Amino acid sequence: AQSVTQLGSHVSVSEGALVLLRCNYSSSVPPYLFWYVQYPNQGLQLLLKYTSAATLVKGINGFEAEFKKSETSFHLTKPSAHMSDAAEYFCAVSDLNTGNQFYFGTGTSLTVIP
Amino acid sequence: DTAVSQTPKYLVTQMGNDKSIKCEQNLGHDTMYWYKQDSKKFLKIMFSYNNKELIINETVPNRFSPKSPDKAHLNLHINSLELGDSAVYFCASSPPGQGISPLHFGNGTRLTVT
Repeated sequence: AQSVTQLGSHVSVSEGALVLLRCNYSSSVPPYLFWYVQYPNQGLQLLLKYTSAATLVKGINGFEAEFKKSETSFHLTKPSAHMSDAAEYFCAVSDLNTGNQFYFGTGTSLTVIP
Repeated sequence: DTAVSQTPKYLVTQMGNDKSIKCEQNLGHDTMYWYKQDSKKFLKIMFSYNNKELIINETVPNRFSPKSPDKAHLNLHINSLELGDSAVYFCASSPPGQGISPLHFGNGTRLTVT
C-alpha cells in the first residue's frame, strides 16, 4: 500500500532563508508524487508533480522538488522564503495501481519569520 | 471561471439535523471526490465517482451519502449529524489519467455541528 510521511508538522524559517519540507513515500511500484499548498480558508492548490520524467521538478512560486528513488524521498525546497509562503503544505502519492486514489501526508505548516 | 465550486462555504447546524453540500466542476473532468479534513489538517478520502459511478467508498458512516446526478456534480448528504462530523469537507476533481493527473480542489465547506 502507498503511504506518505512528512517529517515535521511545523517548520519555521526566516524570510530569505532556505525552505526545506520533507516527504518520504512508500510505494511498491513507481510512484507519482505531488506537492500541494493550502492557504488559510482555501482549498489545496498544486505546486508541482513528479510523473517519472525529470527527477528535479520545478513548480510555481519558485518551489522545486527532487525525486530520489534510493531515499524514497521527494523533499520540497525553495531557496529564499517569502512571507507569502506561509501556508500548509501537503505531499501526496499515487500510482498506476491505485488508479485515482491519492494518499496524502499529514501536512507541514510553514511559518515565515520577518 | 473554470473551477471546482462548492456550497455553502460555512455550515453551522445542530446535532441530529440532515444537511447537504453541493459541488460542481466545469473543468470537464470525469472523476470527482469528497475529502474530509479534520482539525489537525489530516486529509482523508471519503468517496470518489468516475462518470457518475462510485469507484471509491472508504470506511465512512452510512449517514454520509454521495449523489452524482451527472459527471459535473457530486453532492454530499449527511444524515443525523454528530459532533464528530465537524470538519472541512473538500470536493475535488481530476481528469482521466490513472493517478498521474493531479486533483483540483474546491475551497471547502466548513461544517460545524453544535
